[in-house]
Amino acid sequence: EAGVAQSPRYKIIEKRQSVAFWCNPISGHATLYWYQQILGQGPKLLIQFQNNGVVDDSQLPKDRFSAERLKGVDSTLKIQPAKLEDSAVYLCASSSDGIEAFFGQGTRLTVV
Amino acid sequence: AQSVTQLDSHVSVSEGTPVLLRCNYSSSYSPSLFWYVQHPNKGLQLLLKYTSAATLVKGINGFEAEFKKSETSFHLTKPSAHMSDAAEYFCVVSDRNDYKLSFGAGTTVTVRA
Repeated sequence: EAGVAQSPRYKIIEKRQSVAFWCNPISGHATLYWYQQILGQGPKLLIQFQNNGVVDDSQLPKDRFSAERLKGVDSTLKIQPAKLEDSAVYLCASSSDGIEAFFGQGTRLTVV
Repeated sequence: AQSVTQLDSHVSVSEGTPVLLRCNYSSSYSPSLFWYVQHPNKGLQLLLKYTSAATLVKGINGFEAEFKKSETSFHLTKPSAHMSDAAEYFCVVSDRNDYKLSFGAGTTVTVRA
């Protein structure tokens, strides 16, 4: 089966600019996660969707980050305006059973 | 709420010697546990998983882990390290009641020739 697709793979932007990341989960997977992985740290959950509803966004900086999941399938994560500390790898994952998650390759964001 | 503690931030081994990566977890319910590996500039790859079946779990590339409920541990081992095992390893706990995944801080493995 096809895996979790993310785009773009790499993005470089200046601080205060905006950026958007896209994720296409594995077909049929109801749960979708966005993680932020800062260099040298473990992934941190930003937001979790169950179908197109938000289950957990407690660690999402809502003043600058937003996310949506269209029709319970694809998802976009947006940052506006970006800060230097947002430089990280953004990982998307999906799960059909809430037990095992499948991860995409990630988007590496560099804010300069 | 569940959490994971990886007891070693960095492990250095010689090629051909055993590898041990330690993980303790905290969970209110019967957890599912995973080990993922991440090579530089690569995505997360699942090494193995425990989902309430056999407590000794075998994974890819010769890795295995043992679930010990009494010790709340899920340590990862490999009998003989290979140069290609140099990577970052993450222990993850999953709560099937709320579908949440919690990552440990990671253990960096260095393999010396």
